[in-house]
Amino acid sequence: EAGVAQSPRYKIIEKRQSVAFWCNPISGHATLYWYQQILGQGPKLLIQFQNNGVVDDSQLPKDRFSAERLKGVDSTLKIQPAKLEDSAVYLCASSLRPVETNEKLFFGSGTQLSVL
Amino acid sequence: DAKTTQPNSMESNEEEPVHLPCNHSTISGTDYIHWYRQLPSQGPEYVIHGLTSNVNNRMASLAIAEDRKSSTLILHRATLRDAAVYYCILRDVNYGQNFVFGPGTRLSVLP
Repeated sequence: EAGVAQSPRYKIIEKRQSVAFWCNPISGHATLYWYQQILGQGPKLLIQFQNNGVVDDSQLPKDRFSAERLKGVDSTLKIQPAKLEDSAVYLCASSLRPVETNEKLFFGSGTQLSVL
Repeated sequence: DAKTTQPNSMESNEEEPVHLPCNHSTISGTDYIHWYRQLPSQGPEYVIHGLTSNVNNRMASLAIAEDRKSSTLILHRATLRDAAVYYCILRDVNYGQNFVFGPGTRLSVLP
């Protein structure tokens, strides 16, 4: 079974530039998550999609971050303009159903963003 | 979200058992205990989860205290590949809570 695919693997940009990350979840997974992981910390949820609708974006800095999930499959996360504090690993995860006792999250390897 | 407390780091020798503790004194009756681990340069991966009873799978065992205020992830025979950050997470399914990751425990395995 193919896992969660993310690209690019690494990205280096200067502050105030824009950047986009792409995620392809496991086939058939209805729920997709974007997490931000700053060095030395655990992942922090940015946004959760159920099919192509947003379930939770309460921690997404909406003045600069945006995300979409077209046709309930692939998703893109965009930052515009980037700040130095956005340097982090951006992780995409998917799960089959959002509210299940045995729900498991499946994560991609992430995109490491460096903002200079 | 109910909180968990884990040691920042632990060390183990290869081929020995490892007991990773997690305190969750404010756990509610409907909170499930989940464990994930994150290997270097990878995203987190599921390890095990449980509610009240001890659980076993091919990766690990989960021992849950009778009062549920603490739990222990047990790796029966640590290998170098088990060196990772281990996260203990509480999740109340009734409220559809998301997984909230703390800083976790960094496990080092010595050859």
